[in-house]
Amino acid sequence: AQSVAQPEDQVNVAEGNPLTVKCTYSVSGNPYLFWYVQYPNRGLQFLLKYITGDNLVKGSYGFEAEFNKSQTSFHLKKPSALVSDSALYFCAVREGNYGQNFVFGPGTRLSVLP
Amino acid sequence: SQTIHQWPATLVQPVGSPLSLECTVEGTSNPNLYWYRQAAGRGLQLLFYSVGIGQISSEVPQNLSASRPQDRQFILSSKKLLLSDSGFYLCAWSGGIPYNEQFFGPGTRLTVL
Repeated sequence: AQSVAQPEDQVNVAEGNPLTVKCTYSVSGNPYLFWYVQYPNRGLQFLLKYITGDNLVKGSYGFEAEFNKSQTSFHLKKPSALVSDSALYFCAVREGNYGQNFVFGPGTRLSVLP
Repeated sequence: SQTIHQWPATLVQPVGSPLSLECTVEGTSNPNLYWYRQAAGRGLQLLFYSVGIGQISSEVPQNLSASRPQDRQFILSSKKLLLSDSGFYLCAWSGGIPYNEQFFGPGTRLTVL
């Protein structure tokens, strides 16, 4: 069975500093990995995905994520955080080749302090 | 371009009343459709998904049901709401290819009193 862990409920970072939101996953086949962001009372917005190829994936709003197969991780990063990045972030995995479902992590709340 | 709509945006219903939430997708055909519930602004619970008209898979047994009467329409229903049905309901769609991401609607905030 697929599973996703986001070990930190909350991440605080000062504006202008780099940020990392952690995600680890478990699948039996090839993982398709996704990051989403959610602002209060809104739906989730897609940020980026890893399917295959280069382990460093670049996405929207200056975010990037690094796929690490040996550590089964897909951490979200941004070189310089903005106050407007404060939101709830979800990592998700979908098992390749079969299955219709996405499995989401519990979410990490990011607060960027001015 | 594709868009996804949900209505109503907010809903306050008494315990025991019926429920109908609607989700429609524009600009794509034969999407996979999903209903999620989100409690207290945290994790997503997958309730139902559908790969085609009339094809519904339920992930969690409960007093909710889903229907897909048309290719791009997905409806979440209940005959009698419970207090525990309160939450933020999200509809999403994805393409049929496994590596396609999901796109989410704006959500419906349901409060059961």
